[in-house]
Amino acid sequence: GNSVTQMEGPVTLSEEAFLTINCTYTATGYPSLFWYVQYPGEGLQLLLKATKADDKGSNKGFEATYRKETTSFHLEKGSVQVSDSAVYFCALSASWGGNTPLVFGKGTRLSVIA
Amino acid sequence: NAGVTQTPKFRVLKTGQSMTLLCAQDMNHEYMYWYRQDPGMGLRLIHYSVGEGTTAKGEVPDGYNVSRLKKQNFLLGLESAAPSQTSVYFCASSDRADSYNEQFFGPGTRLTVL
Repeated sequence: GNSVTQMEGPVTLSEEAFLTINCTYTATGYPSLFWYVQYPGEGLQLLLKATKADDKGSNKGFEATYRKETTSFHLEKGSVQVSDSAVYFCALSASWGGNTPLVFGKGTRLSVIA
Repeated sequence: NAGVTQTPKFRVLKTGQSMTLLCAQDMNHEYMYWYRQDPGMGLRLIHYSVGEGTTAKGEVPDGYNVSRLKKQNFLLGLESAAPSQTSVYFCASSDRADSYNEQFFGPGTRLTVL
Protein backbone atom coordinates (compact mmCIF):
# COMPACT_ATOMS: atom_id res chain seq x y z
CA GLY A 1 0.00 0.00 0.00
CA ASN A 2 0.84 3.65 -0.03
CA SER A 3 2.97 4.97 2.82
CA VAL A 4 5.12 7.88 3.90
CA THR A 5 8.17 7.67 6.13
CA GLN A 6 9.74 10.77 7.59
CA MET A 7 12.59 11.26 9.98
CA GLU A 8 11.72 11.09 13.62
CA GLY A 9 12.17 14.10 15.77
CA PRO A 10 12.38 16.12 17.68
CA VAL A 11 14.83 18.27 15.78
CA THR A 12 16.38 21.16 17.67
CA LEU A 13 18.31 23.82 15.78
CA SER A 14 19.77 27.21 16.51
CA GLU A 15 18.41 30.19 14.66
CA GLU A 16 19.90 30.61 11.15
CA ALA A 17 20.90 26.94 10.95
CA PHE A 18 20.21 24.81 7.87
CA LEU A 19 17.24 22.48 8.06
CA THR A 20 16.62 19.16 6.34
CA ILE A 21 13.70 16.89 7.18
CA ASN A 22 13.79 13.65 5.22
CA CYS A 23 10.70 12.12 3.66
CA THR A 24 10.44 9.01 1.51
CA TYR A 25 7.34 7.42 0.10
CA THR A 26 5.94 4.22 -1.34
CA ALA A 27 3.15 4.52 -3.85
CA THR A 28 1.85 3.06 -7.07
CA GLY A 29 1.66 5.35 -10.04
CA TYR A 30 2.54 9.02 -9.79
CA PRO A 31 1.48 10.55 -6.50
CA SER A 32 1.33 14.22 -5.61
CA LEU A 33 3.47 15.13 -2.60
CA PHE A 34 2.86 17.68 0.11
CA TRP A 35 4.42 19.20 3.19
CA TYR A 36 2.01 20.43 5.83
CA VAL A 37 2.97 22.46 8.90
CA GLN A 38 1.20 22.54 12.27
CA TYR A 39 1.98 25.46 14.55
CA PRO A 40 1.32 25.01 18.29
CA GLY A 41 -2.38 24.80 19.06
CA GLU A 42 -3.45 25.02 15.43
CA GLY A 43 -4.60 22.78 12.59
CA LEU A 44 -2.46 21.77 9.66
CA GLN A 45 -1.65 24.22 6.88
CA LEU A 46 -0.30 23.40 3.47
CA LEU A 47 3.32 24.55 3.25
CA LEU A 48 4.21 23.42 -0.27
CA LYS A 49 3.43 20.78 -2.84
CA ALA A 50 4.80 19.11 -5.97
CA THR A 51 2.69 17.21 -8.44
CA LYS A 52 5.18 15.52 -10.78
CA ALA A 53 8.74 14.29 -10.88
CA ASP A 54 11.47 16.96 -10.63
CA ASP A 55 8.96 19.60 -9.55
CA LYS A 56 10.20 21.86 -6.78
CA GLY A 57 7.69 23.21 -4.30
CA SER A 58 8.64 26.32 -2.37
CA ASN A 59 7.08 28.65 0.17
CA LYS A 60 8.29 30.88 3.03
CA GLY A 61 11.91 29.95 2.31
CA PHE A 62 11.18 26.21 2.45
CA GLU A 63 11.83 23.98 -0.56
CA ALA A 64 11.30 20.35 -1.49
CA THR A 65 12.01 18.56 -4.76
CA TYR A 66 10.02 15.56 -6.00
CA ARG A 67 12.63 12.86 -6.69
CA LYS A 68 11.04 9.87 -8.38
CA GLU A 69 14.30 7.94 -8.68
CA THR A 70 14.83 7.99 -4.92
CA THR A 71 11.09 8.24 -4.00
CA SER A 72 11.91 11.20 -1.79
CA PHE A 73 10.57 14.66 -1.01
CA HIS A 74 12.97 16.13 1.56
CA LEU A 75 12.14 19.49 3.12
CA GLU A 76 14.91 22.09 3.33
CA LYS A 77 15.38 25.63 4.54
CA GLY A 78 18.61 27.54 4.43
CA SER A 79 18.19 29.62 7.58
CA VAL A 80 15.54 28.74 10.14
CA GLN A 81 13.87 31.21 12.49
CA VAL A 82 12.30 30.77 15.91
CA SER A 83 8.91 31.24 14.23
CA ASP A 84 9.51 28.04 12.21
CA SER A 85 9.10 25.95 15.36
CA ALA A 86 6.26 23.57 14.51
CA VAL A 87 5.44 20.01 13.53
CA TYR A 88 6.01 19.19 9.86
CA PHE A 89 4.09 16.44 8.04
CA CYS A 90 4.95 14.89 4.72
CA ALA A 91 1.96 13.51 2.80
CA LEU A 92 1.03 11.97 -0.51
CA SER A 93 -2.09 11.81 -2.63
CA ALA A 94 -2.05 8.68 -4.72
CA SER A 95 -5.11 9.29 -6.84
CA TRP A 96 -5.78 11.81 -9.52
CA GLY A 97 -9.24 13.22 -8.99
CA GLY A 98 -9.11 13.85 -5.29
CA ASN A 99 -11.21 10.99 -4.03
CA THR A 100 -8.40 9.19 -2.27
CA PRO A 101 -7.54 10.56 1.15
CA LEU A 102 -4.04 11.79 1.85
CA VAL A 103 -1.53 9.48 3.48
CA PHE A 104 0.52 11.25 6.15
CA GLY A 105 3.86 10.59 7.75
CA LYS A 106 4.05 10.64 11.54
CA GLY A 107 5.34 14.19 11.71
CA THR A 108 8.63 15.77 12.75
CA ARG A 109 8.72 18.32 15.54
CA LEU A 110 11.13 21.19 14.96
CA SER A 111 12.26 23.49 17.73
CA VAL A 112 14.37 26.52 16.84
CA ILE A 113 16.17 28.28 19.67
CA ALA A 114 17.45 31.85 19.59
CA ASN B 1 -14.52 32.94 4.27
CA ALA B 2 -14.18 31.13 7.56
CA GLY B 3 -12.73 28.03 5.85
CA VAL B 4 -13.13 24.91 8.00
CA THR B 5 -14.52 25.32 11.50
CA GLN B 6 -14.93 22.76 14.26
CA THR B 7 -17.19 22.70 17.29
CA PRO B 8 -16.39 22.33 20.16
CA LYS B 9 -12.72 23.22 20.67
CA PHE B 10 -12.38 21.23 23.89
CA ARG B 11 -14.47 18.55 25.59
CA VAL B 12 -14.10 16.23 28.54
CA LEU B 13 -16.28 13.11 28.64
CA LYS B 14 -16.72 10.24 31.03
CA THR B 15 -16.41 6.69 29.77
CA GLY B 16 -19.66 5.60 28.15
CA GLN B 17 -20.95 9.07 27.36
CA SER B 18 -21.79 10.09 23.83
CA MET B 19 -21.07 13.23 21.86
CA THR B 20 -21.03 14.67 18.36
CA LEU B 21 -18.29 16.77 16.84
CA LEU B 22 -19.37 19.20 14.15
CA CYS B 23 -17.31 20.23 11.16
CA ALA B 24 -18.45 22.97 8.79
CA GLN B 25 -16.84 24.32 5.63
CA ASP B 26 -17.87 27.27 3.50
CA MET B 27 -15.73 26.52 0.43
CA ASN B 28 -18.34 24.32 -1.32
CA HIS B 29 -15.97 21.36 -1.17
CA GLU B 30 -17.22 17.93 -2.13
CA TYR B 31 -14.82 15.93 0.02
CA MET B 32 -14.59 15.98 3.79
CA TYR B 33 -12.49 13.96 6.23
CA TRP B 34 -12.12 13.22 9.93
CA TYR B 35 -8.68 12.45 11.37
CA ARG B 36 -7.37 11.81 14.82
CA GLN B 37 -3.92 12.87 15.93
CA ASP B 38 -2.08 11.02 18.66
CA PRO B 39 1.52 11.48 19.83
CA GLY B 40 3.95 9.53 17.66
CA MET B 41 1.16 8.35 15.36
CA GLY B 42 0.72 11.27 13.03
CA LEU B 43 -2.73 11.72 11.53
CA ARG B 44 -4.95 8.70 11.04
CA LEU B 45 -8.09 8.81 8.93
CA ILE B 46 -11.28 7.83 10.72
CA HIS B 47 -14.00 8.34 8.09
CA TYR B 48 -14.42 10.42 4.99
CA SER B 49 -17.10 11.54 2.57
CA VAL B 50 -16.94 12.17 -1.16
CA GLY B 51 -20.28 13.93 -1.31
CA GLU B 52 -23.53 14.75 0.44
CA GLY B 53 -25.18 11.60 1.72
CA THR B 54 -22.08 9.42 1.31
CA THR B 55 -19.54 8.20 3.85
CA ALA B 56 -16.69 5.71 3.86
CA LYS B 57 -14.43 4.11 6.44
CA GLY B 58 -10.86 5.13 6.87
CA GLU B 59 -7.97 3.54 8.71
CA VAL B 60 -9.43 3.62 12.25
CA PRO B 61 -13.26 3.73 12.04
CA ASP B 62 -14.19 1.54 15.03
CA GLY B 63 -16.14 3.32 17.75
CA TYR B 64 -17.10 6.23 15.51
CA ASN B 65 -20.00 7.05 13.23
CA VAL B 66 -20.39 9.89 10.74
CA SER B 67 -23.09 11.63 8.76
CA ARG B 68 -23.05 14.05 5.84
CA LEU B 69 -26.64 15.25 5.52
CA LYS B 70 -25.61 18.62 4.14
CA LYS B 71 -22.72 19.31 1.82
CA GLN B 72 -21.16 21.85 4.14
CA ASN B 73 -21.34 19.76 7.33
CA PHE B 74 -19.66 16.53 8.41
CA LEU B 75 -20.53 15.14 11.83
CA LEU B 76 -18.44 12.70 13.85
CA GLY B 77 -20.22 10.78 16.60
CA LEU B 78 -18.97 8.77 19.52
CA GLU B 79 -21.79 6.58 20.83
CA SER B 80 -20.00 5.26 23.91
CA ALA B 81 -16.73 7.06 24.58
CA ALA B 82 -13.67 5.12 25.74
CA PRO B 83 -10.36 6.41 27.16
CA SER B 84 -8.65 5.15 23.97
CA GLN B 85 -10.57 7.85 22.11
CA THR B 86 -8.74 10.60 23.96
CA SER B 87 -7.15 12.49 21.10
CA VAL B 88 -7.14 15.63 19.02
CA TYR B 89 -9.64 15.42 16.17
CA PHE B 90 -9.18 17.30 12.92
CA CYS B 91 -11.63 17.83 10.13
CA ALA B 92 -10.50 18.63 6.59
CA SER B 93 -12.08 19.30 3.23
CA SER B 94 -10.96 19.34 -0.38
CA ASP B 95 -12.33 20.32 -3.75
CA ARG B 96 -13.30 17.62 -6.25
CA ALA B 97 -12.01 19.89 -9.00
CA ASP B 98 -8.53 19.90 -7.47
CA SER B 99 -6.76 16.99 -9.12
CA TYR B 100 -4.06 17.00 -6.47
CA ASN B 101 -6.35 16.86 -3.46
CA GLU B 102 -5.02 19.73 -1.38
CA GLN B 103 -6.81 19.50 1.93
CA PHE B 104 -7.83 22.38 4.18
CA PHE B 105 -7.91 21.70 7.91
CA GLY B 106 -9.92 22.97 10.83
CA PRO B 107 -8.33 24.06 14.12
CA GLY B 108 -9.04 20.78 15.90
CA THR B 109 -11.07 19.50 18.85
CA ARG B 110 -9.22 18.26 21.91
CA LEU B 111 -11.20 15.42 23.50
CA THR B 112 -10.40 13.81 26.83
CA VAL B 113 -12.26 10.69 27.95
CA LEU B 114 -11.91 9.89 31.64
